[in-house]
Amino acid sequence: AQTVTQSQPEMSVQEAETVTLSCTYDTSESDYYLFWYKQPPSRQMILVIRQEAYKQQNATENRFSVNFQKAAKSFSLKISDSQLGDAAMYFCAYRRRKGAQKLVFGQGTRLTINP
Amino acid sequence: NAGVTQTPKFRILKIGQSMTLQCTQDMNHNYMYWYRQDPGMGLKLIYYSVGAGITDKGEVPNGYNVSRSTTEDFPLRLELAAPSQTSVYFCASSYGQENEKLFFGSGTQLSVL
Repeated sequence: AQTVTQSQPEMSVQEAETVTLSCTYDTSESDYYLFWYKQPPSRQMILVIRQEAYKQQNATENRFSVNFQKAAKSFSLKISDSQLGDAAMYFCAYRRRKGAQKLVFGQGTRLTINP
Repeated sequence: NAGVTQTPKFRILKIGQSMTLQCTQDMNHNYMYWYRQDPGMGLKLIYYSVGAGITDKGEVPNGYNVSRSTTEDFPLRLELAAPSQTSVYFCASSYGQENEKLFFGSGTQLSVL
């Protein structure tokens, strides 16, 4: 069975600084997707960024980028120029490429932005 | 375009009661999912459906039932509610399998006391 582990229950960063959230996963599959979701207090699940395992290039979305290390099964999220609106729970998630979107989530990291 | 709509948003049940969480989507999506999120944890898959009339178990199906009689609706039934089912329940949908965005509803917060 696949597992996703986020070892940082909480992180904090000063506004405008950079922060990195860690995620590791375990799978025997070679073809899969990895995701970072943001969940603000509104409870809404917001897709931040997605990485296809077959792509060597790290995904980027504006201030958000990932460091995907397939051999190490590591998938960290870097948030640059942190903003107050970035404060939320962040979840790392995995799914096999083929088949239904059965996501496996990590436990989450609560990110606090200090003004 | 409403997307994925869940009702109710909040509910308190007594132990042993039953209820149905409603989920409907207006995007003509084939795939629908039910996830639960326990306090301070990530989401776990309860059940999913790949089309009308087809459902399958996810990671934590015990204590729940689902049906998919139409493309739009995917209700989740709780029989004999237990305190362990206190959670936030999310419904989600997608059109296909691979390179498709997953759309989430806003969640139902359920407390079993």
